[in-house]
Amino acid sequence: AQSVAQPEDQVNVAEGNPLTVKCTYSVSGNPYLFWYVQYPNRGLQFLLKYITGDNLVKGSYGFEAEFNKSQTSFHLKKPSALVSDSALYFCAVIYGDMRFGAGTRLTVKP
Amino acid sequence: DADVTQTPRNRITKTGKRIMLECSQTKGHDRMYWYRQDPGLGLRLIYYSFDVKDINKGEISDGYSVSRQAQAKFSLSLESAIPNQTALYFCATSDLGGTNEQFFGPGTRLTVL
Repeated sequence: AQSVAQPEDQVNVAEGNPLTVKCTYSVSGNPYLFWYVQYPNRGLQFLLKYITGDNLVKGSYGFEAEFNKSQTSFHLKKPSALVSDSALYFCAVIYGDMRFGAGTRLTVKP
Repeated sequence: DADVTQTPRNRITKTGKRIMLECSQTKGHDRMYWYRQDPGLGLRLIYYSFDVKDINKGEISDGYSVSRQAQAKFSLSLESAIPNQTALYFCATSDLGGTNEQFFGPGTRLTVL
């Protein structure tokens, strides 16, 4: 059974607009949730994580994510997108080991 | 992340050949992981190791083996490569604790003809 899902393969936004990359999870108990970003020809880089506490988590490069237990979601957000934010984004959950979503390609157009 | 290095970065080989991918880290982490990345499937865990004497199978270990030679080194072997093992392979490390983020190497692109 899939532990984490990213329902959108591709997200396109204009520079300066807010962006959202969606993630839902399907593990029981208290999940440990992560967001990573992958730039071309690079490994994944950690952006932020939710372990416990405040549902709004702030991370690197101006990104933030909101944990919503009732909707089992952990969407990644940024108030104003940059062209340099264009990359592949992965949501992940620790469920024994770390399970990754399939990834969402974000394209920010000038 | 320069703290986690992988060699080679690219490799083309033929079906049936034995291949070894190597990973080294200078982060001092105890935990190391091997993943493969395929388009549309995200990353899938092949093997992981929590210390030098600990080796665990991940989601897709068939056709692969690993060796943890030292705290800093974790190698992945394909004993007899097949075309559907063509993928991007990543090594990762993390510190002790079940909630810590992982740090990834730059990846090895493997093509099996």
